[in-house]
Amino acid sequence: NAGVTQTPKFQVLKTGQSMTLQCAQDMNHNSMYWYRQDPGMGLRLIYYSASEGTTDKGEVPNGYNVSRLNKREFSLRLESAAPSQTSVYFCASTKIVAAFFGQGTRLTVV
Amino acid sequence: DQQVKQNSPSLSVQEGRISILNCDYTNSMFDYFLWYKKYPAEGPTFLISISSIKDKNEDGRFTVFLNKSAKHLSLHIVPSQPGDSAVYFCAAREINFGNEKLTFGTGTRLTIIP
Repeated sequence: NAGVTQTPKFQVLKTGQSMTLQCAQDMNHNSMYWYRQDPGMGLRLIYYSASEGTTDKGEVPNGYNVSRLNKREFSLRLESAAPSQTSVYFCASTKIVAAFFGQGTRLTVV
Repeated sequence: DQQVKQNSPSLSVQEGRISILNCDYTNSMFDYFLWYKKYPAEGPTFLISISSIKDKNEDGRFTVFLNKSAKHLSLHIVPSQPGDSAVYFCAAREINFGNEKLTFGTGTRLTIIP
C-alpha cells in the first residue's frame, strides 16, 4: 500500500524556470492538499481540493497553480520559480479527519 | 492570521517524565483537532485526534485534552521516550459547504534527554 506518493523528492530550479510537482494517492480519499514547510512557519496550506474537479486557495497560493486531474492525482505547478519558493513541499490526502502525507519534495530555487 | 498557534518552538524533557505540548486556536468552527509527529526528511504522521464534543482522548502513552472554552488543547506523552524526539504539529479541521480543510500550527520541536 503506497499511500501518498510525491515526485520528485529533490529539485533545484533556476529563477524563472517552471516545474510541476506530482502527487498521487491510492486510498480513494476525496480531499487532497499541498502544503509548504518553512523554518519557524510550520505547515502552510497552498491549495486544496475537496473533490475531483474542485480546487480552492489556501493561505499562501500566490505563485502556484494546481490541477486535480482525477480522484488520485493532485499536481502543483510553479510557472516562474522565485527564490522565495525554496521550501519543502508536502502533499496530503484525507477522508475522515486524519490526513496522510507524502514524503515531501525539497525544492531549491537559485 | 494564525488560527492555530503553537507558542513554544521547542521543548526538552527528561526520559521517563511527562511531555506536555500546547496548542491554541481561534476559530470556533473547528470540529476536530489532531496531532502529528514529524521526523526529519519524512512527512508528518498522524498521532491522535479529538472531536470538539469531547474533552479527552487517550491512546497508549498519548493523551489529548481539549478545553473548548479556553480554545486550548494539549498533548501529554507519558512516559517520554527517546524515540518521541520529533517536531509535533497541532492541526484543526473545519468543514465549509461540505469541503474539509486542515489548518496546522507552526510546530514544537520536542527533545527527549536520555
